[in-house]
Amino acid sequence: ETGVTQTPRHLVMGMTNKKSLKCEQHLGHNAMYWYKQSAKKPLELMFVYNFKEQTENNSVPSRFSPECPNSSHLFLHLHTLQPEDSALYLCASSQATGEAYEQYFGPGTRLTVT
Amino acid sequence: KNQVEQSPQSLIILEGKNCTLQCNYTVSPFSNLRWYKQDTGRGPVSLTIMTFSENTKSNGRYTATLDADTKQSSLHITASQLSDSASYICVVRTFQKLVFGTGTRLLVSP
Repeated sequence: ETGVTQTPRHLVMGMTNKKSLKCEQHLGHNAMYWYKQSAKKPLELMFVYNFKEQTENNSVPSRFSPECPNSSHLFLHLHTLQPEDSALYLCASSQATGEAYEQYFGPGTRLTVT
Repeated sequence: KNQVEQSPQSLIILEGKNCTLQCNYTVSPFSNLRWYKQDTGRGPVSLTIMTFSENTKSNGRYTATLDADTKQSSLHITASQLSDSASYICVVRTFQKLVFGTGTRLLVSP
């Protein structure tokens, strides 16, 4: 285990539903990340938080809404998603956001939008 | 444009055999390069990190090489085991940004 947990591990939701993904890290890190992993595509960085403040939003549609209440927890709130949003959503954390710091990934949430 | 290309896309080898995975990148400026292993249903786990001045680094049966002049890296797996079946992702860092490859899916067959 990497010290980063994600729940739920699998989620099926309709396009009109509202759901949330949760990430928790037990490593004492200060930076947390959301990534989207689609089949045969590179990981796509969605959001970056550093000391609870959002420092990066890579043009993510507003139907994805992140929340970082403290350095250990990160949420991704989902509403009115599209079928093309089906993917593996990975959370990661690192000590800081600099180049020397390795990112540790959680196991991911497999999301299916019907 | 910053890109990382990996080859082959997929590979099947017999248990006990060796294999080499390739990573070519156009990322500039270069900070470091990592190889990750991602088991099915799990997140990526770092195998090695290489900086500009490093040519070779080993982690057990995994050996990574880096040629910064040609912007190529390889990951060599020796005496493969069934547990090596996974996706292997090459990731290059430039400034504050990570550039991910699409990965090579390796299947080790008994």
